Amino acid sequence: GAGVSQTPSNKVTEKGKYVELRCDPISGHTALYWYRQSLGQGPEFLIYFQGTGAADDSGLPNDRFFAVRPEGSVSTLKIQRTERGDSAVYLCASSLQGMTGELFFGEGSRLTVL
Amino acid sequence: AQKVTQAQTEISVVEKEDVTLDCVYETRDTTYYLFWYKQPPSGELVFLIRRNSFDEQNEISGRYSWNFQKSTSSFNFTITASQVVDSAVYFCALRLIQGAQKLVFGQGTRLTINP
Repeated sequence: GAGVSQTPSNKVTEKGKYVELRCDPISGHTALYWYRQSLGQGPEFLIYFQGTGAADDSGLPNDRFFAVRPEGSVSTLKIQRTERGDSAVYLCASSLQGMTGELFFGEGSRLTVL
Repeated sequence: AQKVTQAQTEISVVEKEDVTLDCVYETRDTTYYLFWYKQPPSGELVFLIRRNSFDEQNEISGRYSWNFQKSTSSFNFTITASQVVDSAVYFCALRLIQGAQKLVFGQGTRLTINP
């Protein structure tokens, strides 16, 4: 597709369960970002990939959160032992390597932990 | 560390009024980009503008204009003759040119344009 695609658009799970959120970036974009947006807040940085490697994972809140991008395209954000506080919209964005800053965002995956 | 502050949580105006959204930023770096994004109800963040720290020229694009002032670390956004379709949450963001590649966002301003 032409834009950043995220699936699922909505996910409801129970506390303690494992969740995977998928991001398919714009074709050719080597940089990929995950952000988390809580209600009424601005997006909060989680992790940034350049190609297959995580160039900056300083925003991951704890070791329950993990993300991969094995082939340098699609990325999966994985959350183990979910907690109610993990409920948020998880946004993915991509950009061209060397691009002067513009990120293209997907519509997000809304996660609700009951 | 970088910080972006949008002090206005919510603004409500009547259609055709002009409205200014404030943005103040903090960084020790001298080279950076500043951005504005619009987030309509669909949730997707839509890029509006990017300015770099070397260029303080104000910019106008149709009904939108941006006032960048390094002296006050501000990057304000004005919508002239507002329309109902302008209703959205607007985010200001900062990204360093060297070093950390992440965008740091403000808290956002929810703008409601009433008919």
